[in-house]
Amino acid sequence: GESVGLHLPTLSVQEGDNSIINCAYSNSASDYFIWYKQESGKGPQFIIDIRSNMDKRQGQRVTVLLNKTVKHLSLQIAATQPGDSAVYFCAEDSPFDAGNMLTFGGGTRLMVKP
Amino acid sequence: NAGVTQTPKFQVLKTGQSMTLQCAQDMNHEYMSWYRQDPGMGLRLIHYSVGAGITDQGEVPNGYNVSRSTTEDFPLRLLSAAPSQTSVYFCASSYTVLAGTYNEQFFGPGTRLTVL
Repeated sequence: GESVGLHLPTLSVQEGDNSIINCAYSNSASDYFIWYKQESGKGPQFIIDIRSNMDKRQGQRVTVLLNKTVKHLSLQIAATQPGDSAVYFCAEDSPFDAGNMLTFGGGTRLMVKP
Repeated sequence: NAGVTQTPKFQVLKTGQSMTLQCAQDMNHEYMSWYRQDPGMGLRLIHYSVGAGITDQGEVPNGYNVSRSTTEDFPLRLLSAAPSQTSVYFCASSYTVLAGTYNEQFFGPGTRLTVL
């Protein structure tokens, strides 16, 4: 079936550097793409989303880029901080269901070195 | 607001036992759902509900039952626990959505279940 996946399972960056987490998706009909952050022992926390008719969306220190041509999604974190250390998931929302039925990727662990 | 709460935080069961994982939210969200997360994997949808009295199956519903008698509560029942159900279970809620729209989902802290 359709799936959302990630290129890199672990990303290690120096504190203060920018981080880029990538995600590939296969369902070209998905309407929304969402990034979640999951800290150890906690539930996923919403970071930012982007609708399929957009290429870029910015939040506080985060930017999501969507390239529909190659079905690629990325999350950029500026000036990465130790508190950004977590597992990051991309997810997609099908436009054909009556609810928020999300399909999640496998996750990328971000490790921030002091 | 307490947000989405889940109990218990940890549970160990023997094969064949049954139990109910509790989930409650105080945000008056119509939509609630249950996911499971296995090691090294993303979350997979078990069951969901778009409102009180309405439930439907997700990607991996076998071995689980749900009911939605109130807007606030959405319990998940394991009928006869199996080792394959060892996982972390997350409950989530959001305002109601129409097909083609999306509302932010809020997740609970999870229940870590081990089936021996």
